[in-house]
Amino acid sequence: QVQLVESGGGVVQSGRSLRLSCTASGFTFSARGMHWVRQAPGKGLEWLAVTSYDGSEKYYADSVKGRFTISRDNSKNTLYLQINSLRAEDTAVYYCAKDTTTPQIDYWGQGTLVTVSS
Amino acid sequence: QSALTQPASVSGSPGQSIAISCTGTSSDVGAYDYVSWYQQHPGKAPKLLIYGVSNRPSGVSDRFSGSKSGNTASLTISGLQAEDEADYYCCSYTSSVTRVFGGGTKLTVL
Repeated sequence: QVQLVESGGGVVQSGRSLRLSCTASGFTFSARGMHWVRQAPGKGLEWLAVTSYDGSEKYYADSVKGRFTISRDNSKNTLYLQINSLRAEDTAVYYCAKDTTTPQIDYWGQGTLVTVSS
Repeated sequence: QSALTQPASVSGSPGQSIAISCTGTSSDVGAYDYVSWYQQHPGKAPKLLIYGVSNRPSGVSDRFSGSKSGNTASLTISGLQAEDEADYYCCSYTSSVTRVFGGGTKLTVL
């Protein structure tokens, strides 16, 4: 069965950087686009970024462009999200998610909580 | 990249049917049949209910159905059950090759 396990979250000081990871299993990771989506406490889902199956194409939400970087290592079945210059408003649960054979998300990880402190 | 528009809340009694709308633009919902719906219970990850506007993944109850007209997609839940109480989100592919979610709808089963 599909499993997506995020890690790397925690309490981080404002202005610092953080790299989140998502380890995938149960499907052919190198054949699927992958996403990062976040959810601030008590708020809705916010799509952040997507990478194509081979990492050659990457697209970002305007709100994070230039500060967030999505990447993947298909040899390790792992997706990454680099977050720079962390701000209080980046406090959220960060989910990784996979695409179906069409550009739609089907499976989600359980999320990792990032808390930005001042 | 404005969020798709969903009602903040809807409610219904057990056994009734409810519909949740999701309004976008001609650059997202209106342009592609890549509209999906997700159910999220408190403290849990979202779960796919509908993809491709109206398709259900295996294991999802046929009480859930989806449709689209123009720039507005809809999720209908028939035969409401207590366990349907949750937050619901729509999502669309966009002409910028990005994705956009709706603001979410809280369903209360009375």
